[in-house]
Amino acid sequence: EVQLVESGGGLVQPGGSLRLSCAASGFTFSSYEMNWVRQAPGKGLEWVSFISGSGNNIKYADSVKGRFTISRDNVKNSLYLQMDSLRAEDTAVYYCARGWVVTPGLGSFDFWGQGTLVTVSS
Amino acid sequence: DIQLTQSPSFLSASVGDRVTITCRASQGIRTYLAWYQQKPGKAPKLLIYAASTLQSGVPSRFSGSGSGTEFTLTISSLQPEDFATYYCQQLNSFPPGFGGGTKVEIK
Repeated sequence: EVQLVESGGGLVQPGGSLRLSCAASGFTFSSYEMNWVRQAPGKGLEWVSFISGSGNNIKYADSVKGRFTISRDNVKNSLYLQMDSLRAEDTAVYYCARGWVVTPGLGSFDFWGQGTLVTVSS
Repeated sequence: DIQLTQSPSFLSASVGDRVTITCRASQGIRTYLAWYQQKPGKAPKLLIYAASTLQSGVPSRFSGSGSGTEFTLTISSLQPEDFATYYCQQLNSFPPGFGGGTKVEIK
C-alpha cells in the first residue's frame, strides 16, 4: 500500500526556517517524481515544487523560488522541503504528492500525504 | 504561466442530479488535464487524468471530456459522498497549476 507521511510542520516566526519531510513507503520511491503542494486556510491548491526520481530535475513556483529547496533521499525513501525566509503568506497545509507519468505530459498526482500545517506568525 | 478558470465556483445540487463543472485553460493544453476531489480536512484525491481517463477505483458516474482549452467534469448522478470541492490541474507544462475549485454543496 502506497503511503506518504509528512512531518515537520509547526509555528515559526516570519523570517524563520522550517524543514518538512515526507516518508514514502509501498512503492519504488526512486522511480517516481515527487511534488509539494500547499493550501492556505480556506483557499485552493497551489503547486510549490517538483523533483524528478533521480533528483536531477527540480522546479519551483515563482512564489517560493530562492527561498525553498526541495530534495530527496532515495535510500531513506524520503522527500524534503527546506523553507527559509518564511513569510506570513507561506502559512498553509503542505502536502507531498507522487507524480505518476502514464501519458505524455507531466505526471498527475496519484497519491497524497495527509498534510502538515505550517504557520508563520509572530 | 497557464491559467485555469473553473466554473461555477459554487454549485448547489440534490442527490441524483447530473452535475457538470467546466475548466478553461488560458492556452491549449491538449488533453493534459487532471481532476481532483477534496473533502474538508482531507488530501485531494485523483479522479481523472489525461482529461478523460478514470483513475482506478473511481466510480463510473464520474467522467471527463475535452481537449485544447475547454474541459468538463460530469457526475451523472450525484451521491451523498460526492459533496466536496473539485479542482482541475493542467499537466502540459510547468508550473502545473490548479483551477480555483468548485464547491459542490447539498441543496
